[in-house]
Amino acid sequence: QIQLVQSGPELKKPGESVKISCKASGYTFTNYGMYWVKQAPGQGLQYMGWINTETGKPTYADDFKGRFVFFLETSASTAYLQINNLKNEDMATYFCARNPGYWGQGVMVTVSS
Amino acid sequence: NIVLTQSPATLSVTPGESVSLSCRASQSISTSIHWYQQKSNESPRLLIKYASQSISGIPSRFSGSGSGTDFTLSINRVESEDFSIYYCQQSYSSLYTFGAGTKLELK
Repeated sequence: QIQLVQSGPELKKPGESVKISCKASGYTFTNYGMYWVKQAPGQGLQYMGWINTETGKPTYADDFKGRFVFFLETSASTAYLQINNLKNEDMATYFCARNPGYWGQGVMVTVSS
Repeated sequence: NIVLTQSPATLSVTPGESVSLSCRASQSISTSIHWYQQKSNESPRLLIKYASQSISGIPSRFSGSGSGTDFTLSINRVESEDFSIYYCQQSYSSLYTFGAGTKLELK
């Protein structure tokens, strides 16, 4: 069956970087793009952008240009989200997802000094 | 960017009632709208795709309608497990967007 399994929770300090993984199984990884969604505590879903798993080309929503990086390890059917120079407002749960309607379990990132 | 406006923000109902949740797009998006249910500390679950297409495993009391800019998620006879937050999402643009959500709560 199709699964997206994400890495575990992260505790980071402001200014540090974090790398979140999303391992896909049960389908051909390069046939579907992967997108990323942020959910701050008690808030709604915010679309961050997506990565073309065939070409590796990322596309970022306006609020996520600069410190956010999407990349792939295609041989391992894994997509990554890296957030550089973490800020307090980056504290959230981050989901990977693919159409139609397959989501990872989410990764909670806590930013605290 | 395409903005999705969901209404109402909160809907208070008793089990057995039937409800309609609205999602309005800032421009015409054909039928490229999808509905999700999210319970606390869980990933969103796809309920309806492309405005009205059903999803395997989703109870038949959930249905969707609409095209262009106005879309509706209907729940026929709400059950206790349905109390959660509902989001619409558009895939008309390559940069998807979500609505702010409608919270369905117990009256």
